[in-house]
Amino acid sequence: TQLLEQSPQFLSIQEGENLTVYCNSSSVFSSLQWYRQEPGEGPVLLVTVVTGGEVKKLKRLTFQFGDARKDSSLHITAAQPGDTGLYLCAGDAGNNRKLIWGLGTSLAVNP
Amino acid sequence: GAVVSQHPSRVICKSGTSVKIECRSLDFQATTMFWYRQFPKQSLMLMATSNEGSKATYEQGVEKDKFLINHASLTLSTLTVTSAHPEDSSFYICSALILETQYFGPGTRLLVL
Repeated sequence: TQLLEQSPQFLSIQEGENLTVYCNSSSVFSSLQWYRQEPGEGPVLLVTVVTGGEVKKLKRLTFQFGDARKDSSLHITAAQPGDTGLYLCAGDAGNNRKLIWGLGTSLAVNP
Repeated sequence: GAVVSQHPSRVICKSGTSVKIECRSLDFQATTMFWYRQFPKQSLMLMATSNEGSKATYEQGVEKDKFLINHASLTLSTLTVTSAHPEDSSFYICSALILETQYFGPGTRLLVL
């Protein structure tokens, strides 16, 4: 069974702090996606990483795909209250187009 | 704009009744759609893969007779929760596979009394 371990599960920080969320697996993924979800809404795709070692930036968010394509991280610089939400990583193992989901990181950024 | 819509956004029903949730892919055709269930502050749990023109593929532990899926067109998949019980109360989310990326609907909050 393929698993994607995401940590931390909960994170409460002050505005302006930095944070990193990790997703780790023993399996290799053809791609990995990061989503952000607000309460009562569906997940919104932030980024897809495909190449081992790839780094993508989205304003204050930096996404990295591990060299072996087994892990990924999301780093947020100078967090703002608007960053509050549930962050989900999901790996595409390539079979049946199903995604393997991490458990999610519930982030609260306090003003 | 939204790529996938869901209807209704929230529904309250009595125990024993059936509820139908629609998932529409807007502007794009989607041969494959997915249905998920999500509990508060938790990740998504895949229930089934909906394939246009064929039977849905259900994940282990998901009762196919209770959660009926119909993918009758390239833009519409429906999930019917039959004989709903309070334990079926949850947030149901669909996604459409478009150009190898899943785009999610806004979800449907179901409350069974």
